[in-house]
Amino acid sequence: GAGVSQTPSNKVTEKGKYVELRCDPISGHTALYWYRQSLGQGPEFLIYFQGTGAADDSGLPNDRFFAVRPEGSVSTLKIQRTERGDSAVYLCASSFGLRNTGELFFGEGSRLTVL
Amino acid sequence: GDSVTQMEGPVTLSEEAFLTINCTYTATGYPSLFWYVQYPGEGLQLLLKATKADDKGSNKGFEATYRKETTSFHLEKGSVQVSDSAVYFCALSDPRSGGSNYKLTFGKGTLLTVNP
Repeated sequence: GAGVSQTPSNKVTEKGKYVELRCDPISGHTALYWYRQSLGQGPEFLIYFQGTGAADDSGLPNDRFFAVRPEGSVSTLKIQRTERGDSAVYLCASSFGLRNTGELFFGEGSRLTVL
Repeated sequence: GDSVTQMEGPVTLSEEAFLTINCTYTATGYPSLFWYVQYPGEGLQLLLKATKADDKGSNKGFEATYRKETTSFHLEKGSVQVSDSAVYFCALSDPRSGGSNYKLTFGKGTLLTVNP
């Protein structure tokens, strides 16, 4: 499809396990963002990539969270030693980067449940 | 830090009613302001935006005016339709991010239900 694609759409895991969430941005978008949305809250910024590099990771809550974008397209958000508090919808967004007009294009999100 | 406060929901209206969803913000400097909408089963999408004071953003019959003096960006529509049922998020971009980084700060969202 032409939109931002996120997989899996749902992930249930046990406390302490490792999880990877994948984002496939819109073709040609150089900027990629990860956000986290907890129940009843708005999305909260996690990390921003411009190309392959993480230009701003100030929103990552701790060192259990890590994200990569090795070829400047697909990105993976990695969560180690998951905790129940990590349960949320993880949203990925992309945009044109330097030609950005302020519009981010969001995927439908990956819902993570940590039991 | 930057923050966005928006009207708590849920909001339930009849078709053709007038809609206002209030949004106020706190920010250092002069942010850009946005309304995003999430329809059922879909990702967030930009509804409208304004980048400086007194700008009016508009789209699909919705309007919002950037009011610096009251630090507000209220969303309005004169006549809502059933198809407008969705969650609406007010957001601002951090002007200190610079360049192409549109790091957004969102409000909690307001669920709007429009009945026929």
